[in-house]
Amino acid sequence: GAVVSQHPSWVICKSGTSVKIECRSLDFQATTMFWYRQFPKQSLMLMATSNEGSKATYEQGVEKDKFLINHASLTLSTLTVTSAHPEDSSFYICSARTGTGNLYVDNEQFFGPGTRLTVL
Amino acid sequence: LAKTTQPISMDSYEGQEVNITCSHNNIATNDYITWYQQFPSQGPRFIIQGYKTKVTNEVASLFIPADRKSSTLSLPRVSLSDTAVYYCLVGLSGGYNKLIFGAGTRLAVHP
Repeated sequence: GAVVSQHPSWVICKSGTSVKIECRSLDFQATTMFWYRQFPKQSLMLMATSNEGSKATYEQGVEKDKFLINHASLTLSTLTVTSAHPEDSSFYICSARTGTGNLYVDNEQFFGPGTRLTVL
Repeated sequence: LAKTTQPISMDSYEGQEVNITCSHNNIATNDYITWYQQFPSQGPRFIIQGYKTKVTNEVASLFIPADRKSSTLSLPRVSLSDTAVYYCLVGLSGGYNKLIFGAGTRLAVHP
């Protein structure tokens, strides 16, 4: 099956610094990628939808200036947590899918392994 | 987007069949039903997807009644390694494909 990787798998940073997380589709081109955040014992929360070559679409309540998303190529999307604070500590997961534009094609997203961010 | 309702948790024993039911009363005509499995500190893993009736693959079966307002994920002969959170999602395929995760069902398989 399709493989999505994330880097780094975990990161610890000081409060006030910025952290960049990469999401790559290894064996397919992903016109659309998604970023999720997951707190302990909770479900995944969709943060934003990233489309190659265009601005990301953020979910309500997600600060676009805080969480910068860049989808510069068909295989790479990055999420930058700017001026990170302890409350940003979470598990960040990306997913990717190809966009065929066909409503009757099975809808499957391929998820990355996640990145654990700890802000001290 | 159709909202889904699943049991918060379930317990089972090794070798038993587990059925997890998901309600999605507001499912739209073009929506597909997808189930994911998630282990701690890992990304979700696709299990199975269907539109109507029954779908079976090497790990699970998905039963969808005619009205499509619910679906049941069936895991045959579970093992300890099936202990995970299972999410039922409903959404459009193709161009509009935002997936919203509900609370999921935490399945614990006991020896």
